[in-house]
Amino acid sequence: DIQLTQFPSSLSASVGDRITITCRASQSIDKYVSWYQQKPGKAPNLLINGASTLQSGVPSRFSGGQSGAEFTLTISDLQPGDFATYHCQQTYTRWTFGQGTKVEI
Amino acid sequence: QVQLVESGGGVVQPGTSLRLSCAASGFTFSSFGMHWIRQVPGKGLEWVAMITYEGSKKYYVDSVQGRFSISRDNAEKTLYLQINSPRSEDTAFYYCARESSPWGGVTLGDGFDLWGPGTMVIVS
Repeated sequence: DIQLTQFPSSLSASVGDRITITCRASQSIDKYVSWYQQKPGKAPNLLINGASTLQSGVPSRFSGGQSGAEFTLTISDLQPGDFATYHCQQTYTRWTFGQGTKVEI
Repeated sequence: QVQLVESGGGVVQPGTSLRLSCAASGFTFSSFGMHWIRQVPGKGLEWVAMITYEGSKKYYVDSVQGRFSISRDNAEKTLYLQINSPRSEDTAFYYCARESSPWGGVTLGDGFDLWGPGTMVIVS
């Protein structure tokens, strides 16, 4: 099974900051990574798929990157509504989620 | 309105059974693969099961294989998860979700673009 290692597990940031969350796959998974945002008491919301394709309605301050089997979610100019938990997911074969990253003020 | 709504959660005793339902509306349900994902409060997401759009193929995480059964009724636009012999470690929020692209299979997917609000299952 493909494992995803997501880090950091949590981070503290301020409004206006730029942050990066990383997800490392246990093997090559091409571009098949998605990123989700989850707010307390709510279901996850798909932000990015195909490693870097922004979903409709997602602000352009969110971006996805890839270097080999390492994937990144970058949020530039952090806004108050961005404080949430972020999850990566691989969809190369079957489905696996990372451990999640909580972004706190 | 395009949405998914789960139901059927609650408190269940170990060794009994429970069936979760996920009612779909606002889209062509029969064209999309569907998933169940669970989350222990305060923890990460765990993919649980998937059924292809026509119901011919089913996939499970190892920890539920043989105890859980995913099914669907395309005429009724409803997804199900039968939970047999539940264990304390099955206690979690259960979400249903839709594949982003229609007619997908077990590989090369595009994530899950529609989720229900979830239903809580407590095994006690």
